[in-house]
Amino acid sequence: GAGVSQSPSNKVTEKGKDVELRCDPISGHTALYWYRQSLGQGLEFLIYFQGNSAPDKSGLPSDRFSAERTGGSVSTLTIQRTQQEDSAVYLCASSSQGTAANYGYTFGSGTRLTVV
Amino acid sequence: AQSVTQLDSQVPVFEEAPVELRCNYSSSVSVYLFWYVQYPNQGLQLLLKYLSGSTLVKGINGFEAEFNKSQTSFHLRKPSVHISDTAEYFCAVRRSGPGAGSYQLTFGKGTKLSVIP
Repeated sequence: GAGVSQSPSNKVTEKGKDVELRCDPISGHTALYWYRQSLGQGLEFLIYFQGNSAPDKSGLPSDRFSAERTGGSVSTLTIQRTQQEDSAVYLCASSSQGTAANYGYTFGSGTRLTVV
Repeated sequence: AQSVTQLDSQVPVFEEAPVELRCNYSSSVSVYLFWYVQYPNQGLQLLLKYLSGSTLVKGINGFEAEFNKSQTSFHLRKPSVHISDTAEYFCAVRRSGPGAGSYQLTFGKGTKLSVIP
């Protein structure tokens, strides 16, 4: 597509439920990133996918968080047993290269997650 | 590891006045530097980037930034702001060479620019 697409744009869930957030990157972009934007905290790196390489999961805050990327394209971020502190905007970005990249990422509009 | 400090969380400025949004970074290695803008309920959009060469970088919407290696700063400026510039601005860095984590952007906490009519 023309840009990075994220769905849903908004999600309200009850504490303890599982949620799935979807990211559809720009076609041909081999690198995909998830960031979390919490109020007043800036952007926090969560996970990075590059082609068929093993993802870098070093930013995932707990084992309740997981992500996968199918066929080198669409990615799903899953949060199990959601907690109120998980409330944030989850941003996905893609870029045309990985470690050799010097280009800015292209970000999606984000999914605003509210845990009640 | 890299870190980014945006010294002002909020900056109010009158329309047509100049503005400077400050960014300082810390890194033990060479870095690339970026400024992003986020309009309400939207994702981040790249304003400009410094990779190498001239330390004065021009971006979209009339913004520019100057890389100062000795002061480890990358301040964003615009000589005359418009109402439409009201948004949140993020400074970001990444290491410039290959290696673990070199792809990862580290962001500051953002500066909210409010342009007053």
